[in-house]
Amino acid sequence: NAGVTQTPKFQVLKTGQSMTLQCAQDMNHNSMYWYRQDPGMGLRLIYYSASEGTTDKGEVPNGYNVSRLNKREFSLRLESAAPSQTSVYFCASSATTGGTSDYEQFFGPGTRLTVL
Amino acid sequence: GQSLEQPSEVTAVEGAIVQINCTYQTSGFYGLSWYQQHDGGAPTFLSYNALDGLEETGRFSSFLSRSDSYGYLLLQELQMKDSASYFCAEVSGGRDDKIIFGKGTRLHILP
Repeated sequence: NAGVTQTPKFQVLKTGQSMTLQCAQDMNHNSMYWYRQDPGMGLRLIYYSASEGTTDKGEVPNGYNVSRLNKREFSLRLESAAPSQTSVYFCASSATTGGTSDYEQFFGPGTRLTVL
Repeated sequence: GQSLEQPSEVTAVEGAIVQINCTYQTSGFYGLSWYQQHDGGAPTFLSYNALDGLEETGRFSSFLSRSDSYGYLLLQELQMKDSASYFCAEVSGGRDDKIIFGKGTRLHILP
């Protein structure tokens, strides 16, 4: 049981380049999330997907797109990277079945992205 | 809108007790979660309160008062390994479950 996995772990991009961050979970969770974490800003929600086939914007969606490819996978795409997108990106998942454990999110190890 | 307030830093001594407070403002509030994050690591879940009162899990306890829009995380018998950032996270309801995180409290522990 790998939990939540993310690739790549590190990435350096030049301004204007595009890339996709990959996330997969093997816990059969319904909900998946993408966050960015900047120093002093905590975790900010970019997009989330409450179930396969649905996606919704979070607090900071501008400059990003997402795809919920299937129940396991949720990818985040930067179409034209900007220095302001330099951050640590975390993917997370949760069960969302109606019990207290729904609100426990499981996080991947993160992707450290630098945009020059 | 949603916003959470928690202190940016707290310092305590090894073996002591420390309380990290969190206030929230939101509509559709369901409950409050707490997460721990060590430097360079991913956040990990500690506790969740949906009802008023104290939830205890080993050395960590979490409290919620819905009438005061307030909660706290209590860490007892502090150990050096508890040096980390702690985030409160507000769970909102509706069709889609969503969690909004506070900016985090950095806990420094002195020997």
